[in-house]
Amino acid sequence: QKEVEQDPGPLSVPEGAIVSLNCTYSNSAFQYFMWYRQYSRKGPELLMYTYSSGNKEDGRFTAQVDKSSKYISLFIRDSQPSDSATYLCAMSAGAGQGGKLIFGQGTELSVKP
Amino acid sequence: DGGITQSPKYLFRKEGQNVTLSCEQNLNHDAMYWYRQDPGQGLRLIYYSQIVNDFQKGDIAEGYSVSREKKESFPLTVTSAQKNPTAFYLCASSIGLGYGYTFGSGTRLTVV
Repeated sequence: QKEVEQDPGPLSVPEGAIVSLNCTYSNSAFQYFMWYRQYSRKGPELLMYTYSSGNKEDGRFTAQVDKSSKYISLFIRDSQPSDSATYLCAMSAGAGQGGKLIFGQGTELSVKP
Repeated sequence: DGGITQSPKYLFRKEGQNVTLSCEQNLNHDAMYWYRQDPGQGLRLIYYSQIVNDFQKGDIAEGYSVSREKKESFPLTVTSAQKNPTAFYLCASSIGLGYGYTFGSGTRLTVV
């Protein structure tokens, strides 16, 4: 079993839809949670960063962490064609692990005009 | 502007050749990382370094080597021992433990 599981999709939605992307994990030591967006043939860019449990909102994006269920989510409101990309979740246990992030497989999202 | 520069963008390797991928950062980050990305497999860690002159193997280090002689630079050599090197290679850096990474734009390596 992988430490981080993420449905690879692809996920196709109409413009304006609410998108829900999710990851589950098995390591209870994870405490730093991130979402990256990667456009085709580009490096990933950090989208959201959350420490421990709770919600974080930034514009149309909301990240949620539920450590009791070992489940994290990224919601995109009013999705736009420019949101079409691969979204990777990532997490880390922090100190003692070299700061290494463990990545999910990535979910490919397509937002149709 | 601060960032990470990877070069070249595209690289072709003949069978039996060693090739070196460049990664330079001007973010003053201590930690640097190399990942390999294959379709359907996400990002897999090759090597990482927390400080100059020190580095550790990741999950798929066989057939690869690195050096960290300067804080700004973390080159990756893909040796002839790597049997399936065709992939997208990403370099990243972070300010320290638990912080998000800044990624470079990647190098696409193809064996010809």
